[in-house]
Order: sequence, then C-alpha cells, then structure tokens
Amino acid sequence: DAKTTQPNSMESNEEEPVHLPCNHSTISGTDYIHWYRQLPSQGPEYVIHGLTSNVNNRMASLAIAEDRKSSTLILHRATLRDAAVYYCILKEGGSGGSNYKLTFGKGTLLTVNP
Amino acid sequence: DGGITQSPKYLFRKEGQNVTLSCEQNLNHDAMYWYRQDPGQGLRLIYYSQIVNDFQKGDIAEGYSVSREKKESFPLTVTSAQKNPTAFYLCASSIRGRDNSPLHFGNGTRLTVT
Repeated sequence: DAKTTQPNSMESNEEEPVHLPCNHSTISGTDYIHWYRQLPSQGPEYVIHGLTSNVNNRMASLAIAEDRKSSTLILHRATLRDAAVYYCILKEGGSGGSNYKLTFGKGTLLTVNP
Repeated sequence: DGGITQSPKYLFRKEGQNVTLSCEQNLNHDAMYWYRQDPGQGLRLIYYSQIVNDFQKGDIAEGYSVSREKKESFPLTVTSAQKNPTAFYLCASSIRGRDNSPLHFGNGTRLTVT
C-alpha cells in the first residue's frame, strides 16, 4: 500500500493561512493525492485531490511538489469550522482491487484559535 | 439531496449477539465500502464492493460479513466472532473505475457492545 506521513497536530489562528504538509515518497506515477477532513463524530468529507498540477477549489488549494513526493493542503483563511482531522491519502491508479483499498492514517489534527 | 444514510447513529448490543448496520446511498454509485475507526486512530477497511452481488475483504474482515443485493444498499453484520466490536463504523461510496473519484461518507454508526 502506498503510504503517507503527516504531522500529528498543527495549530493556527483564525483568519490566517494554514499549510498542512504530507509526505508520500513512495507514490507511483498513477496515484492520485486525495485530502479529506473529519469533524468529531462525523464521517470524513472530501476536500480536494490532484495528480501532478496544483489544484484550487472553493474549500482549499493543493500544492504538489514537482517530484510528487510531497504535497501541501492550503486553507487560505482558517475559520473555527476548519478545526478537524485532515487526512492525506493516495488513491492507487489502475484497474483491479487495489484501486479501491484506500489507506487512511491518523491524519493531522488542526486546532484553530479564535 | 443525494447522499449516504447510515442508521442508527448509536447502537448498543450485548456480547454474543450479531448486529447489522445499515448503509443506503442514492448517489447511483457502484462502489461501496465499510471502514472501522477506533478512538484516535485512522480508518481501517473492512469490506468493499465494486458492483452488485460482488464484494471483497479489506484489511480487517474477520468477524464481519456483508451483502450487496441492491446497488443502493450495503449492510454490514458484526458477528459474535468479532473480538472487539465496539467502534465507530463508516460507510462510503464512490464511482467505480475512476481513479480520481472521491469517496462520499455517511455520518457513521457508533456501536457499543457490553
């Protein structure tokens, strides 16, 4: 299984940008990088995904290193509602069963201070 | 609104009893998944199904069983053989066969077995 490494926790102040790092040194060429976040007692929520190029959507931006061995999720202005556990996972490309076996680690617990 | 419904939100059972957790989706997704989450941990894959009448074991299938008789439904049975059944159970779905297809999660069922 392709694995990712994230810091256990990070802290931010409200209305400041947050950069959440993820290392995935064993990523293969067809793996997509997905980010999810999970609020307490809820299911994870999809945030953003990318393959090689940087991506933007209404929730966040995803910056992917040129060698694809790391990525950074960027929340441009953190709010209290962004406090959650953020998971960086690799979605294996190709057909077959491995495409469906997604590995969620412990993620990064983001605390946002008012 | 399309989504995934898990019921009930909380479930209590006595040790030795089988219990079935419900998961229904109206997203017209072919692929469905069951994950287990323990306190402070990531998600671990129990079973997944790529299509009706087909399912595969995930990383921790022992003590669990599933069925996939309808596209929209993927119930999970926690049997008495599961040694530590108390956990937070999450169901998810996705479009089949697309590498970049995100997972859509339900809000989980918290099972307590005493």
